[in-house]
Amino acid sequence: GENVEQHPSTLSVQEGDSAVIKCTYSDSASNYFPWYKQELGKGPQLIIDIRSNVGEKKDQRIAVTLNKTAKHFSLHITETQPEDSAVYFCAASNMKTSYDKVIFGPGTSLSVIP
Amino acid sequence: EAQVTQNPRYLITVTGKKLTVTCSQNMNHEYMSWYRQDPGLGLRQIYYSMNVEVTDKGDVPEGYKVSRKEKRNFPLILESPSPNQTSLYFCASSLLGQNSPLHFGNGTRLTVT
Repeated sequence: GENVEQHPSTLSVQEGDSAVIKCTYSDSASNYFPWYKQELGKGPQLIIDIRSNVGEKKDQRIAVTLNKTAKHFSLHITETQPEDSAVYFCAASNMKTSYDKVIFGPGTSLSVIP
Repeated sequence: EAQVTQNPRYLITVTGKKLTVTCSQNMNHEYMSWYRQDPGLGLRQIYYSMNVEVTDKGDVPEGYKVSRKEKRNFPLILESPSPNQTSLYFCASSLLGQNSPLHFGNGTRLTVT
C-alpha cells in the first residue's frame, strides 16, 4: 500500500524567510496530493492540493511542486508570518475511485519566529 | 456556517467503560470518516462511510464501531476502551469521498486510564 514520508518533522524559520516541507510517496499510481494545516486546538484544514497532471500550483504565498518521476512533492511558503506557525500534513492518494484512501504523512511542526 | 461538530472536546474515562463520540456535519456531505492522531504517526483512518448505512474499515478499526443511520451524523463508539486508545480523534466529511477536500472537526482528546 501507499506510504508517505515527510521531512523535516520540525522546522523553525525567522519571520519573512521561506519554509520548505518535503514529502515522498511510494505508490506510483497516486495522483492527488493535498496539504493540510493544523493550528493548535483545531482540526486540519486544506490549504492547497495538486493533481498529477500539473507540476506546480501556487496560491499567494503558498506553492506546491510535484515530481512524479522521483515520487516527491514539496510545500513552499514564502515571506513567512507568525500565523503560519502550525503543523502541516502532506497526503497522497489515487483518485481512480472515491474508495481509494488518502494516506497522510507524519506531519511537520513549523514555528515562525517573529 | 459550514462545519463539522464533534462532542465532547475532552473526555477522560476508565478502561472498559463504553463511550460514544458524536460527529455531525451540516454540509450534506456523502462521505464521513474518523481518524486518530498520534505523535509521529500522522492521521490514521479508523472507519469511513460513503453514504447512509454504508460503512467500512480504515487502517486501524480494532476496538471501534461506527454507525451511519442519518446522512449528517457519524458517531464513533468504543465498546470497551483500553489505554492504547488514548489519542486525539478527528471526524471529517467531504462531498465526493476521500479524494476531495476533507473538512475536519476540532477534535476530541480521549484519555483512557
